[in-house]
Amino acid sequence: AQRVTQPEKLLSVFKGAPVELKCNYSYSGSPELFWYVQYSRQRLQLLLRHISRESIKGFTADLNKGETSFHLKKPFAQEEDSAMYYCALRPMNRDDKIIFGKGTRLHILP
Amino acid sequence: GAGVSQSPSNKVTEKGKDVELRCDPISGHTALYWYRQSLGQGLEFLIYFQGNSAPDKSGLPSDRFSAERTGGSVSTLTIQRTQQEDSAVYLCASSLGTSAGEQYFGPGTRLTVT
Repeated sequence: AQRVTQPEKLLSVFKGAPVELKCNYSYSGSPELFWYVQYSRQRLQLLLRHISRESIKGFTADLNKGETSFHLKKPFAQEEDSAMYYCALRPMNRDDKIIFGKGTRLHILP
Repeated sequence: GAGVSQSPSNKVTEKGKDVELRCDPISGHTALYWYRQSLGQGLEFLIYFQGNSAPDKSGLPSDRFSAERTGGSVSTLTIQRTQQEDSAVYLCASSLGTSAGEQYFGPGTRLTVT
């Protein structure tokens, strides 16, 4: 079954420390992976997608097909990074829906 | 251009009443999704539409929940005989198609059942 797992519901990190939000997926084919973010009182929005291979707001994520992971990383956390983060998978079958993980709340401590 | 809009932004209703939530997707987006977001539950998929048809209704929690989309645009999510456990934020999102990865989300409707 297709599944996205975010093992941490809450992650607290001190400002300036490295951040890693974990995401593991279960899918037999080659999916497209995304990270979405929701800041306080704002809409859920796309943060980055693996095919772009870009860094957004200092965040990067590498697709590891061997470990079926797509962890989100940032070397130095900032207070404005506090938000809810969702990992998502889009199957390559064009008729299948995007699957979201349960989300991880990132709390940056001053 | 205009993003996804939802109405009402807040709805308080009494247990047992029916409610209708509305979503206006981005013009030209053929795929439309409904999610429920509640504390501790993350993002819960409810239903999605490709055009006017709903290939996947598997996420609807019970037969009290239904959704329709007409004209390939506006969608309404109806909850009949609301229960307190229905209280949540209901999010709508649209995308160019199910094969187009990025979803654009609306601001949500906060439903409170008293």
